[in-house]
Amino acid sequence: GAVVSQHPSRVICKSGTSVKIECRSLDFQATTMFWYRQFPKKSLMLMATSNEGSKATYEQGVEKDKFLINHASLTLSTLTVTSAHPEDSSFYICSARSRDREGNTIYFGEGSWLTVV
Amino acid sequence: AQKVTQAQTEISVVEKEDVTLDCVYETRDTTYYLFWYKQPPSGELVFLIRRNSFDEQNEISGRYSWNFQKSTSSFNFTITASQVVDSAVYFCALRKFGNTGKLIFGQGTTLQVKP
Repeated sequence: GAVVSQHPSRVICKSGTSVKIECRSLDFQATTMFWYRQFPKKSLMLMATSNEGSKATYEQGVEKDKFLINHASLTLSTLTVTSAHPEDSSFYICSARSRDREGNTIYFGEGSWLTVV
Repeated sequence: AQKVTQAQTEISVVEKEDVTLDCVYETRDTTYYLFWYKQPPSGELVFLIRRNSFDEQNEISGRYSWNFQKSTSSFNFTITASQVVDSAVYFCALRKFGNTGKLIFGQGTTLQVKP
């Protein structure tokens, strides 16, 4: 079946540095990908919609300059957390909607645990 | 506005018991999709089911069954003869029909199945 892969699965970075998380659709093309954030024992909150070849659409309250999203190809979207702070520590998970398939099932990546120290 | 409510924050059962996870949703759309996902401690989201709003047939898959009641805007999930491996957080989610794929998640229900 469809596979969406995220990398890295776990990352620890120092405050003030930037960290990039990749989301890849491995066997289908995804014109649209989504980035979610999940705090411990909380629900998933949509951060932004990533559109291939165009700017991402951010949800209200999400700082676009802090969470940079790039969707350079039909199989890759990246989330860069810039100038990371401890409060950015969270579980980030992406999802992708297939371009070629039924398009009604959203496939999720395995998620990435970010710890900012 | 769209909203999904999972009123049960945590449920604890003993193995082999049946358990039902509640999901109530709000939407002004006449057509939409409903989903259930399982999130084990490792974090990944495991897709369980997708239901179209125009299909109110209940579904059974092994020990899992889903009861979709459009009249009460509910999409409840029942696990029969629960097992320890069922322990996880379960999310109900709503998506607009024809939408690019944005999901609105409920708060999640943590299910603990004790041996």
